[in-house]
Amino acid sequence: EAEVAQSPRYKITEKSQAVAFWCDPISGHATLYWYRQILGQGPELLVQFQDESVVDDSQLPKDRFSAERLKGVDSTLKIQPAELGDSAMYLCASSLRTSTDTQYFGPGTRLTVL
Amino acid sequence: AQSVTQLGSHVSVSEGALVLLRCNYSSSVPPYLFWYVQYPNQGLQLLLKYTSAATLVKGINGFEAEFKKSETSFHLTKPSAHMSDAAEYFCAVKEGNAGNMLTFGGGTRLMVKP
Repeated sequence: EAEVAQSPRYKITEKSQAVAFWCDPISGHATLYWYRQILGQGPELLVQFQDESVVDDSQLPKDRFSAERLKGVDSTLKIQPAELGDSAMYLCASSLRTSTDTQYFGPGTRLTVL
Repeated sequence: AQSVTQLGSHVSVSEGALVLLRCNYSSSVPPYLFWYVQYPNQGLQLLLKYTSAATLVKGINGFEAEFKKSETSFHLTKPSAHMSDAAEYFCAVKEGNAGNMLTFGGGTRLMVKP
């Protein structure tokens, strides 16, 4: 069964450092999402791509976060510089295309900022 | 704007007992509703979804949920809990005429006692 891949699974960094997370969606899925999940809370959408275009990045802290999906396939989420409050699980999800399609989630990257 | 409220951040049941996890939503248009399960340090797995067809939705692992428009609820149930059901459960809503943005509740941690 096809799955969403994410790496790394765990990342520990010091504040002010740069970090990057990678996501490979299920093959053929045009829509890709990045979510942030703070411990004990539900996921919150950071950015949504349709192919290589950003559809919604209204909740992305653009002063330090950036996301790209250059060829409309895999995606990278970057934080520079990392802050203590960025410690969270970063989840990637993908769906086929339409608004009724199910989102499938990857295993996530657990980020700890010291 | 859509929102989701999950009553009870922690629910404890005995093995073999009924599982009931509560979810209430608010949405200005007919919604799509989802339940996801998350095991420790893993991504989210879809349990079931409601997309305006039958109001009683059956999902994986013996779970089901009933959409009640008059109560704006989508509670998750399972007749008999198993130890392997211990996990975090998230209810999510997506407005039917919007993009594919999911709004999640805060989650309910289900504990199953032997």
